[in-house]
Amino acid sequence: GAVVSQHPSRVICKSGTSVKIECRSLDFQATTMFWYRQFPKQSLMLMATSNEGSKATYEQGVEKDKFLINHASLTLSTLTVTSAHPEDSSFYICSAREAGQETQYFGPGTRLLVL
Amino acid sequence: QQQVKQSPQSLIVQKGGISIINCAYENTAFDYFPWYQQFPGKGPALLIAIRPDVSEKKEGRFTISFNKSAKQFSLHIMDSQPGDSATYFCAAAVNFNKFYFGSGTKLNVKP
Repeated sequence: GAVVSQHPSRVICKSGTSVKIECRSLDFQATTMFWYRQFPKQSLMLMATSNEGSKATYEQGVEKDKFLINHASLTLSTLTVTSAHPEDSSFYICSAREAGQETQYFGPGTRLLVL
Repeated sequence: QQQVKQSPQSLIVQKGGISIINCAYENTAFDYFPWYQQFPGKGPALLIAIRPDVSEKKEGRFTISFNKSAKQFSLHIMDSQPGDSATYFCAAAVNFNKFYFGSGTKLNVKP
């Protein structure tokens, strides 16, 4: 089956610093990648959709200058949380989809803790 | 605005029993309805999915029942096992793009 990896799996940072999270599709070309945020015991909330080579489309209420998304290749997308604050602490999950396919494959998630 | 409403929030089932989780939606443009299973600290994994042109889909112990007129769909887990204990999310999408997730159901299968 299709595999999506995320790195790091867990990160702790100080308030005010920036954190980059990588999402990779290991055995398929992901023309579209999605970034979600999940608070404890809650559902997944879509933050943005990115298509390879294009600017990401952000959901309402998501600050694009704070959550920078880059999808420079068909196997890699990055999410950078800039000037992180404690309220940004969350579980960030990416998913990837191959062109013409219906299924989104999810990564294992990245736990971010901002002190 | 919750696009997909899921119930119950939590569910306890005895081993061997049937687990039933329900979801309802409003947007008739939705054309793809997947179910995901998530274990603590892990990303969701696709379990089973259905398109609105069929009323039921079965894969092993997992069955989706779909009622287009009622705009409802449900997941049935037959012969529930302790290893099925996880959080289950339903979702709905248009053209496989933006997925709207339900609020999740935490299933606990008692041995």
